[in-house]
Amino acid sequence: EVQLVESGGGLVKAGGSLRLSCAASRFAFSTYNMNWVRQAPGKGLEWVSSINSGSTYIYYADSVKGRFTVSRDNAKNSLYLQMNSLRAEDTAVYYCARDGSFYYLDYWGQGTLVTVSS
Amino acid sequence: QSALTQPPSASGSPGQSVTISCTGTSSDVGGYNSVSWYQQHPDKAPKLMIYEVTKRPSGVPDRFSGSKSGNTASLTVSGLQAEDEADYYCSSYEGSNILLFGGGTKLTVL
Repeated sequence: EVQLVESGGGLVKAGGSLRLSCAASRFAFSTYNMNWVRQAPGKGLEWVSSINSGSTYIYYADSVKGRFTVSRDNAKNSLYLQMNSLRAEDTAVYYCARDGSFYYLDYWGQGTLVTVSS
Repeated sequence: QSALTQPPSASGSPGQSVTISCTGTSSDVGGYNSVSWYQQHPDKAPKLMIYEVTKRPSGVPDRFSGSKSGNTASLTVSGLQAEDEADYYCSSYEGSNILLFGGGTKLTVL
């Protein structure tokens, strides 16, 4: 069974930085596009970013563009999200999710909580 | 990047059918066959239930079905069971390499 395990969440002050990681296993990570999706406490899902298998196509939601950077290391089966200039409204559980084929997310990690204090 | 529109709540009795709508525009729901639906139980990760409008991943009961007409997609849950009580989210490709989600619908099994 596909496994995605996020880590790196925690409490950070507004304006600070945090780097999330997602360790992938039990599938050919290097052949799949990957995504980050977040969910603020008590709120709905919000797509954050996507990266294709070869890191040549990278996209961001307007809400994080210029502040967040997604990357991946196919040799390490890992996905990353570098988050800078964090704001209170970035407080959320961050999920990494595999793209099944074309913008549908067939496997999700358990999520990691990021709390930004103002 | 506006969210897709879902009703905040839906309900039905065990054994009944319930349909949840997801309304977008011709730039997202109406323009692509890339609508998917996710089920989320409290404090759990979302789970893919429907993809490409009508397809079910392996292991998802055939009580769950999807459809689309124009700019509105729908998820129908037939033969409601207690374990179907959860939040449901639709999503769609938006056309600018963006994935849009709906605001979510809380399904209550009465």
